[in-house]
Amino acid sequence: AQTVTQSQPEMSVQEAETVTLSCTYDTSESDYYLFWYKQPPSRQMILVIRQEAYKQQNATENRFSVNFQKAAKSFSLKISDSQLGDAAMYFCAYRSATDKLIFGTGTRLQVFP
Amino acid sequence: DAGVIQSPRHEVTEMGQEVTLRCKPISGHNSLFWYRQTMMRGLELLIYFNNNVPIDDSGMPEDRFSAKMPNASFSTLKIQPSEPRDSAVYFCASSFGLANEQFFGPGTRLTVL
Repeated sequence: AQTVTQSQPEMSVQEAETVTLSCTYDTSESDYYLFWYKQPPSRQMILVIRQEAYKQQNATENRFSVNFQKAAKSFSLKISDSQLGDAAMYFCAYRSATDKLIFGTGTRLQVFP
Repeated sequence: DAGVIQSPRHEVTEMGQEVTLRCKPISGHNSLFWYRQTMMRGLELLIYFNNNVPIDDSGMPEDRFSAKMPNASFSTLKIQPSEPRDSAVYFCASSFGLANEQFFGPGTRLTVL
């Protein structure tokens, strides 16, 4: 069965600095998708970034980028120039081509001014 | 676009009562997902539909839980009878096809006393 592991329950970063959130997953599939979702205090789940496993190039969305290491089954999220509004729970998620989303347990990110 | 709409946003009820949560997916989306989020268990997929047909309900915890999707623009999740351990945030999400990004609603916070 596929699993997603986020080993950092909490992280903190100073405003304008860079922080990296870790995620590892386990699968025997070759075709799958990886996601990072943000959940601010409002509870809304917001898609931050997605990565297709067949793409070698790491996905980037403005200040958010991923380091996708397929062989190591690692999918970390880097947030550059952190802002106070980045404070939230961040969930890593995995989905095979034909199956449901599986979420990690989340990492709470605090941003200090 | 209005996004995924869920109602009510908050529900407080007493043990033994019936609870009905409602969801309107994004227009044009044909896949709909119900999730439950608790501190102890994180985000769990309860059931999902494709083209109004339930595809996988293996995440539904007990027979007290049921879900319907009578048409493409409406779904309900019913708990009867409710118990205190059902207290959680329930999310509905929709996507265009099972393989694409899921967009989440704001969630319903359920408290069963």
